[in-house]
Amino acid sequence: AQSVTQLGSHVSVSEGALVLLRCNYSSSVPPYLFWYVQYPNQGLQLLLKYTTGATLVKGINGFEAEFKKSETSFHLTKPSAHMSDAAEYFCAVSDSGYSTLTFGKGTMLLVSP
Amino acid sequence: SAVISQKPSRDICQRGTSLTIQCQVDSQVTMMFWYRQQPGQSLTLIATANQGSEATYESGFVIDKFPISRPNLTFSTLTVSNMSPEDSSIYLCSVLASQETQYFGPGTRLLVL
Repeated sequence: AQSVTQLGSHVSVSEGALVLLRCNYSSSVPPYLFWYVQYPNQGLQLLLKYTTGATLVKGINGFEAEFKKSETSFHLTKPSAHMSDAAEYFCAVSDSGYSTLTFGKGTMLLVSP
Repeated sequence: SAVISQKPSRDICQRGTSLTIQCQVDSQVTMMFWYRQQPGQSLTLIATANQGSEATYESGFVIDKFPISRPNLTFSTLTVSNMSPEDSSIYLCSVLASQETQYFGPGTRLLVL
């Protein structure tokens, strides 16, 4: 069975500061990894994904994530936070591109001026 | 990507009644899914909606409570039956589109009184 752990239900940063949201997974097969963002009163929007190939993946809105197999991690980063980044972020894993997703509990990102 | 719409966007219902949620996608897709997001929680998969056959339910979810229809490759419905306040959640449909990625609808916000 797969599982996802997101460390920290809430992360607070100042505008302009580095954003780091942590995600660790467990999977018995090479994983497909995803980050989604949910803005208030909206559905989920795909930020980025890792399937195969380059382990550093870039997504929308300046976000990127690095797949580290040895650490079973897929942490999300952004060099400089904007107020508009305030939202809830979900990490998810699947064991192929055609199977269901297992989500982490989510991390709420708070950005202060 | 895929453009997904859901109806209704939100509703307030009385306990004991049923609500049918519609999910429409702008292109034909093989796999559609229904998720539940309880207040302050992550997403939990309810079922995979299969075109032309019964839905495949996850552990803890049953067809009598959450009947699903999938009449064609662009449309699905989820009914929440005999509702109780514990059913108050956001219900999201998703589709597996190209590039092995799930895309989500905007969600239906349900409050049961």
